[in-house]
Amino acid sequence: EDQVTQSPEALRLQEGESSSLNCSYTVSGLRGLFWYRQDPGKGPEFLFTLYSAGEEKEKERLKATLTKKESFLHITAPKPEDSATYLCAVETGFQKLVFGTGTRLLVSP
Amino acid sequence: DVKVTQSSRYLVKRTGEKVFLECVQDMDHENMFWYRQDPGLGLRLIYFSYDVKMKEKGDIPEGYSVSREKKERFSLILESASTNQTSMYLCASSARGGSTDTQYFGPGTRLTVL
Repeated sequence: EDQVTQSPEALRLQEGESSSLNCSYTVSGLRGLFWYRQDPGKGPEFLFTLYSAGEEKEKERLKATLTKKESFLHITAPKPEDSATYLCAVETGFQKLVFGTGTRLLVSP
Repeated sequence: DVKVTQSSRYLVKRTGEKVFLECVQDMDHENMFWYRQDPGLGLRLIYFSYDVKMKEKGDIPEGYSVSREKKERFSLILESASTNQTSMYLCASSARGGSTDTQYFGPGTRLTVL
């Protein structure tokens, strides 16, 4: 069964304290891995797509990396406005996404 | 920018009522999706549509139906709402093309069934 696990469930950081979120997956065939950001009460906002092991993508303070079994979302010098839930999803078939349950990030000033 | 809109942000309905959730996208996307999101369970696919009048069941279609009469609009219907359908409902759309076209989400509808 295709499965996506995100850790930790929740993470509290001080402003400027860098860290990483993990997304591990067991799927029969990975077609792509997606990272989304979700603010409370809102829909997920697309961040990155990664297609193959070794690939990296960056956007402001965020950097996503991919290996054959997991992906990391690195947050460098976070700010309070980076507080959100970060969702990981893998595409296992035509447009079929399997989502993790997310990591709730809180960045304190 | 891709824009996906949903008809209501918050909705309160009674058990047994017929409920319509509407979604509209303005990017001429072929594919549209309905998910529900519950704490601890993540997003789960209810139905998707890859063309007008076409639909496919997702992982949890029971108790739901959908309608897609126009390319830009995808409706989710709860034929007889029940309390276990209280949830956050999210609509998404994506372009046809490669299999990994990004899904873009709407703001969500928080549905409470009393």
